[in-house]
Amino acid sequence: NAGVTQTPKFQVLKTGQSMTLQCAQDMNHEYMSWYRQDPGMGLRLIHYSVGAGITDQGEVPNGYNVSRSTTEDFPLRLLSAAPSQTSVYFCASSSPRGTSNYGYTFGSGTRLTVV
Amino acid sequence: GIQVEQSPPDLILQEGANSTLRCNFSDSVNNLQWFHQNPWGQLINLFYIPSGTKQNGRLSATTVATERYSLLYISSSQTTDSGVYFCAVDGGFQKLVFGTGTRLLVSP
Repeated sequence: NAGVTQTPKFQVLKTGQSMTLQCAQDMNHEYMSWYRQDPGMGLRLIHYSVGAGITDQGEVPNGYNVSRSTTEDFPLRLLSAAPSQTSVYFCASSSPRGTSNYGYTFGSGTRLTVV
Repeated sequence: GIQVEQSPPDLILQEGANSTLRCNFSDSVNNLQWFHQNPWGQLINLFYIPSGTKQNGRLSATTVATERYSLLYISSSQTTDSGVYFCAVDGGFQKLVFGTGTRLLVSP
């Protein structure tokens, strides 16, 4: 099935540990992005990419790194986990606005707890 | 930056009732979207509606970009409509700026 695949679905980390959240899409979308969702809040943008090799920071980038070596994959790295990074993380992809198939597709999310 | 406000924050309906959710945004935008997050956390794109009106079954949406608001109508609500409804606007380079959502509970 076409879509955005995120792994893992759940993760518990200890403070200071590092990890990578994986995101892959098979729709050949140019745009990919990472959001975090905290209780009672909407989604906030962490990092985004407008194509392979191009990434930029969003609203809340501190403590996270990204890279985009292929169109399909956009991993999010937590460098040194902190309790403030406990959240639900969503990856999304879209084609450029103005294209016939424009629209966002979200992954099912990764629930991360940092203890 | 762009501010997005949604109202009401919470809504409880009896099955079969109609409802209207509102989204106000602070800047003129040409890309507004509505999403539904179901109780299992999955985000589903409902509408891309920069202006005008669209309908999809029991749901419809209207955006008046010149007055900086959008409305989502849910008619004959069903328990499966429960969840959180988000509107989001393009903050540039297709970076979505989300509102804080309207939490809807439809009881049987």
